[in-house]
Amino acid sequence: EPEVTQTPSHQVTQMGQEVILRCVPISNHLYFYWYRQILGQKVEFLVSFYNNEISEKSEIFDDQFSVERPDGSNFTLKIRSTKLEDSAMYFCASRLTGGEYGYTFGSGTRLTVV
Amino acid sequence: RKEVEQDPGPFNVPEGATVAFNCTYSNSASQSFFWYRQDCRKEPKLLMSVYSSGNEDGRFTAQLNRASQYISLLIRDSKLSDSATYLCVVNHPARQLTFGSGTQLTVLP
Repeated sequence: EPEVTQTPSHQVTQMGQEVILRCVPISNHLYFYWYRQILGQKVEFLVSFYNNEISEKSEIFDDQFSVERPDGSNFTLKIRSTKLEDSAMYFCASRLTGGEYGYTFGSGTRLTVV
Repeated sequence: RKEVEQDPGPFNVPEGATVAFNCTYSNSASQSFFWYRQDCRKEPKLLMSVYSSGNEDGRFTAQLNRASQYISLLIRDSKLSDSATYLCVVNHPARQLTFGSGTQLTVLP
């Protein structure tokens, strides 16, 4: 079964540092997403990406965040100047097309900001 | 009002029991509906899509009532492996997936 792959599985970083979270979506999927889940809280939408540009972003996705699909396979989330409250599980997801189909999520990157 | 609201539980049921989860959503323009399950510290995994006519997948039955903006999931003959958090998820065409906070289920031997 095709998978969405995320690396690293766990990242520890110091406050103020920049981190890049990496994702390889399913190869024929067209829509890509980042979600996050703070421990004990619900999954929250960050950003969606289609046709090499951001199609929608939430209020969480401010200037601290950026996304990129540099080479047609990887899909990255960059967080600049990390804060303690950025500590969360970050999930990448992809889907082929059509909102009626469920998304496939990666196994996540646990980001810990110390 | 929360966009997607679920009873957080926990639901503790014996093996073999039938358990039902409910969910309400606030945005009447929502178009797609799903149940995902999430194991502790793992990614959400699609359990099933939910259709207006109701749909069944083995021991799992999902129902959607658009007029009441209500979604349900019924699990029959529950197994130990069903223990997880069940997430009600709604997709509005102009917005991305909106998750409920989840309902925690523990199936006891």
